[in-house]
Amino acid sequence: GAGVSQSPSNKVTEKGKDVELRCDPISGHTALYWYRQSLGQGLEFLIYFQGNSAPDKSGLPSDRFSAERTGGSVSTLTIQRTQQEDSAVYLCASSSQGQSSYEQYFGPGTRLTVT
Amino acid sequence: AQSVSQHNHHVILSEAASLELGCNYSYGGTVNLFWYVQYPGQHLQLLLKYFSGDPLVKGIKGFEAEFIKSKFSFNLRKPSVQWSDTAEYFCAVPGGGYNKLIFGAGTRLAVHP
Repeated sequence: GAGVSQSPSNKVTEKGKDVELRCDPISGHTALYWYRQSLGQGLEFLIYFQGNSAPDKSGLPSDRFSAERTGGSVSTLTIQRTQQEDSAVYLCASSSQGQSSYEQYFGPGTRLTVT
Repeated sequence: AQSVSQHNHHVILSEAASLELGCNYSYGGTVNLFWYVQYPGQHLQLLLKYFSGDPLVKGIKGFEAEFIKSKFSFNLRKPSVQWSDTAEYFCAVPGGGYNKLIFGAGTRLAVHP
């Protein structure tokens, strides 16, 4: 079946603008994760959604970052008033519920460049 | 807090050489360990995982890893690398409550023909 998809694949924006990044998880996966991959910082966890539970936002670096997940499926990560340090590849992953099925499937990422 | 250390940031090998990439973890709960691989221009994908049982885990493409509890290690090995193994390799452990993965800094492997 289809894997995790993300759009856009690349986004160039000016400092101070808002951006929205989209993630379509694998159908039926209840858990959805956002990570950020940047030079010097490696892979950082941002936010986690599981079913209808309140999301774990503990990884969001500032209040300029927010995310939502509509209908338990598609998720949007929004970055307001972008800064140059926000430049990174934003990765989305999904997994099915349960410890034995903990494998996370990653999307191709959105490369964000803030100029 | 959970953490993962990967000691080798860049590794260069010739084809047919043996590979061992180090991974050490600090984790207080039930130990689950993962190696992910990112080939150039491709998604992160799972290479192998340890949940329980045999501490020697076999993964895809001839990779294996050994969980050594006394050393808090989960090193990745392959007896004979190929040019197609050129990629970045990440060791990871679950965060508390399985709500995230905590990744090591990654190791860039370059295999020369």
